[in-house]
Amino acid sequence: EAQVTQNPRYLITVTGKKLTVTCSQNMNHEYMSWYRQDPGLGLRQIYYSMNVEVTDKGDVPEGYKVSRKEKRNFPLILESPSPNQTSLYFCASSPLTGIRYGYTFGSGTRLTVV
Amino acid sequence: AQTVTQSQPEMSVQEAETVTLSCTYDTSESDYYLFWYKQPPSRQMILVIRQEAYKQQNATENRFSVNFQKAAKSFSLKISDSQLGDAAMYFCAYTVPDRGSTLGRLYFGRGTQLTVWP
Repeated sequence: EAQVTQNPRYLITVTGKKLTVTCSQNMNHEYMSWYRQDPGLGLRQIYYSMNVEVTDKGDVPEGYKVSRKEKRNFPLILESPSPNQTSLYFCASSPLTGIRYGYTFGSGTRLTVV
Repeated sequence: AQTVTQSQPEMSVQEAETVTLSCTYDTSESDYYLFWYKQPPSRQMILVIRQEAYKQQNATENRFSVNFQKAAKSFSLKISDSQLGDAAMYFCAYTVPDRGSTLGRLYFGRGTQLTVWP
């Protein structure tokens, strides 16, 4: 089944403790992206990647890192999480030539930083 | 700035009735694509319908249709014969597919929470 897999689905952590949210897709998509969703703000892009070793900032990149060492994986790293990073996170992917058809989204990761 | 405005934070509709969700957007591009996504309580983002800006004909998917007014930069979603399963958060979004550094970025509105009453 074609899908984007995010893990974990829920995560509670403490301020300052490094964490990684994994994202993997099995559709050979070039384009991958991370979004955060906050009440009243919709979804905002954090980082995106157009292919292996090609990443760039979105609208809200502060406090996050990403890497794209393999085409299928695009982990989101919070090196020193803070409470304002408590949010719902989505990974999404698309073929570069198919972005006009929309993304395939993962199931989301609910992160709470205390 | 690229923006999407959904002016109705909440809407409600009676089962079997029709409801329209509003969306306006702001872009200077002529070629772009518009989307409505549905997010039920499961949190999954589900593509409901898409519209190509260069097409004048409004898109339709079963009970879902759009009213696309390019000059007014308006893209409303009409849900006919509403069902309980339509209850969800609905997001309007667009992307400009061939635009350099923002290639692929989806710009989202803040969402409209739809309640369906039996």
